[in-house]
This record gives sequence, structure tokens and C-alpha cells, in this order.
Amino acid sequence: LAKTTQPISMDSYEGQEVNITCSHNNIATNDYITWYQQFPSQGPRFIIQGYKTKVTNEVASLFIPADRKSSTLSLPRVSLSDTAVYYCLVGPLSGSARQLTFGSGTQLTVLP
Amino acid sequence: DGGITQSPKYLFRKEGQNVTLSCEQNLNHDAMYWYRQDPGQGLRLIYYSQIVNDFQKGDIAEGYSVSREKKESFPLTVTSAQKNPTAFYLCASSPRRDRVDQPQHFGDGTRLSIL
Repeated sequence: LAKTTQPISMDSYEGQEVNITCSHNNIATNDYITWYQQFPSQGPRFIIQGYKTKVTNEVASLFIPADRKSSTLSLPRVSLSDTAVYYCLVGPLSGSARQLTFGSGTQLTVLP
Repeated sequence: DGGITQSPKYLFRKEGQNVTLSCEQNLNHDAMYWYRQDPGQGLRLIYYSQIVNDFQKGDIAEGYSVSREKKESFPLTVTSAQKNPTAFYLCASSPRRDRVDQPQHFGDGTRLSIL
């Protein structure tokens, strides 16, 4: 199983770009990388998913280097409402759900 | 609105008591999951089901039981055998039973505490 490691916490200011990195050194060939956002007392919400290189959607970008041993979630111009815990998840396209590995999360605090 | 509904939002358990957490989805998703989240920690998989009348143990299934009699429902029972049940419980679903990579949709959780 791919083990994931994330920073415990990060601080940023409104309007800045934030990059959160997840390390997954033993990622398998058929593993995808997914990021979720979680607010207190709520369930996680899907942000973005990728396999390699770069993926961008309306809220974030995901950068995955060629060796795929890490990935970086990039949030452009954060606001106070982006304060949340961000989770990295690594898992295969098909197979057992037990192969899905959530990181322990990064608490992002956006300051005014 | 499609989504996942978990109830109750808060639940208290007495010693030796079994309690059941409800999870209902109207997304027509095949797969459903139960996770446990402890303070400051990530999500740990308790049970998952990829099809009606079938379910598999996750990493921490001991002291828990589930059923999947209907596609839209996946209740979790926390039994008296679970000695440390205080946690935040999350139910999730994903569209296809053969694709575990698909993004999961989560409910807003049930917070279980011991009396």
C-alpha cells in the first residue's frame, strides 16, 4: 500500500497562492492521486484528481512529477473560506477499497 | 438534491449497548463505504460494499457490523465489542463498483460518544 505523508499544518494570507505537498514514495503504477477538502464537522469534498503531469480545474491545480513520488495541490489566491483540512488519497483504478490510503491531512489556516 | 444523508448527527452510547448509524444515498451509486475519523487523524476504512448483499471488511472492522439490503442504504452498527467507539463516523459512496479510483461523495458524519 502506498503510504502518504503530508505537513500537519500550514498558514497563509488571503490572496496568496498555497501549495500543499503529499509524499507517496511507494506509489504503484496503477495508483491515482486524489485530494479532498474537509471543513469541521463535515464530510470531505472532492477537489481534484490526477495520474501524472498537471491537472487543473476551476478551483485548484495538481502537479505530479515524472517519478510520481509526490504531488502538490495548488490553490490560487486563497480566501478565509479556504481554511480547512486537505487530504491526499492514493489508490488504484480498480481493486479493493482497502488499497485506498488517506494521508493524515494538512490543516490550512488562511489569515486576513 | 442528490447526496448522502447520515443520521443522527450526534449519538451517545451506553456501556454494553449496540447502536446503529444510518446512511442513505440517492445518487444511484453502486459502492458505499464507512470510515472512522479520530481527532487530528485521517480516515480509516471500516467496511465497504460494492454491490447489494455483499460487503468487505476494511482495516478496522472489529467491533462493527454492516448490512446492504438495498442499494441506497448502508447502515453501520457499533457493537459493544468496540471498546473505544468515540469518533466521527463518515459514510461515502462512489458511482461504480469496479472503479475504486472514482471520487467519493461523503455525508456530513455522525459523532458518537460514550455516556
